[in-house]
Amino acid sequence: DQQVKQNSPSLSVQEGRISILNCDYTNSMFDYFLWYKKYPAEGPTFLISISSIKDKNEDGRFTVFLNKSAKHLSLHIVPSQPGDSAVYFCAASGNTGNQFYFGTGTSLTVIP
Amino acid sequence: DAGVTQSPTHLIKTRGQQVTLRCSPKSGHDTVSWYQQALGQGPQFIFQYYEEEERQRGNFPDRFSGHQFPNYSSELNVNALLLGDSALYLCASSLSPQPGYEQYFGPGTRLTVT
Repeated sequence: DQQVKQNSPSLSVQEGRISILNCDYTNSMFDYFLWYKKYPAEGPTFLISISSIKDKNEDGRFTVFLNKSAKHLSLHIVPSQPGDSAVYFCAASGNTGNQFYFGTGTSLTVIP
Repeated sequence: DAGVTQSPTHLIKTRGQQVTLRCSPKSGHDTVSWYQQALGQGPQFIFQYYEEEERQRGNFPDRFSGHQFPNYSSELNVNALLLGDSALYLCASSLSPQPGYEQYFGPGTRLTVT
């Protein structure tokens, strides 16, 4: 049973515009969420995180929003750059350890 | 500062054989987790090691076992390989096994079972 879902397998955005990647989860015990970026032939790279006590976390061009009531989080990238083209994974963990549950990923293509 | 390293990069094994994958954590990290990533899927948690003991385990059979050494490096062993074990195996390290710590991933080992 997939506890973290990314329903959009792919997304294309023009350079300079906003990219919005979405993620839904089913387990109400999740309280820590992360986004990872993955290039081909590399391991996932940590991008940004948010804990359940917040509803927004910002780091430069990247902002993550958390809506606990809807069990939904999103990653905003503004402005999008060609170097942002990668697969983005959403991950979540609960308060009993450091085991992460990953979504299936969204492949972002930023068109120059 | 060396990140997480894994060896080998690629591996081809025959069904029924056994395989050992290796991981060295990021400097300063004492917790190592292993994930399996099948094609088109997200990483799936196998287990986590801390203080040379398995702390948490995902939904994987006993054919998957591991070990952590005093220098925090780790091995993943898979016995009686099945075709379905073909995947990218990712090692991740973190500062702590406690909640709220991000994990840093290595480049992975691509295992092909024929």
